[in-house]
Amino acid sequence: ETGVTQTPRHLVMGMTNKKSLKCEQHLGHNAMYWYKQSAKKPLELMFVYNFKEQTENNSVPSRFSPECPNSSHLFLHLHTLQPEDSALYLCASSQGQGRNSPLHFGNGTRLTVT
Amino acid sequence: AQTVTQSQPEMSVQEAETVTLSCTYDTSESDYYLFWYKQPPSRQMILVIRQEAYKQQNATENRFSVNFQKAAKSFSLKISDSQLGDAAMYFCAYRSAETNFGNEKLTFGTGTRLTIIP
Repeated sequence: ETGVTQTPRHLVMGMTNKKSLKCEQHLGHNAMYWYKQSAKKPLELMFVYNFKEQTENNSVPSRFSPECPNSSHLFLHLHTLQPEDSALYLCASSQGQGRNSPLHFGNGTRLTVT
Repeated sequence: AQTVTQSQPEMSVQEAETVTLSCTYDTSESDYYLFWYKQPPSRQMILVIRQEAYKQQNATENRFSVNFQKAAKSFSLKISDSQLGDAAMYFCAYRSAETNFGNEKLTFGTGTRLTIIP
């Protein structure tokens, strides 16, 4: 049972659609992350939120819009995506305190843009 | 910027045997953390083992151990007595100890797909 839950598990959307990915963590963590995992490429950090405040935007195109209403929930709003945006999107959380707080990941959302 | 390199896209090992996965990294920092994550078909990234750079002793977790060579910037993972459930993608990851408070972001390698042969 994962402490980080992502929905939906799979998503197929057209380039003109608007959809949202949801992430919820049940670990009492304060920091949340979005990563993009594409085939044969390292995981790419997209956004970081700490205590609901965005602390990092890794030059992500504006067609990806994150939202963090509280420390337990993180959304990624998608609009006018491109086929190259097809990937596995992983959410993670961490305690956000101390020197050695590992990331805990969800099962990801497999996104296909047609 | 830090980089992490995993030069073995795929590895295979006979069940019950030992396998070593390689990882090298590049950094100018002296204080950092290194991790190995496992990603089975369920897609969830699971922490296997972690190493703190200021600790000379190699980390071990049951059948999993690392060979941390700080001067060589090498961080290999050894899996002993391989089991069918060990089949997965394995990712090496780096984290600076100088990151901002509450931002434990990781830099990942491209991964090694491990197959266990029954």
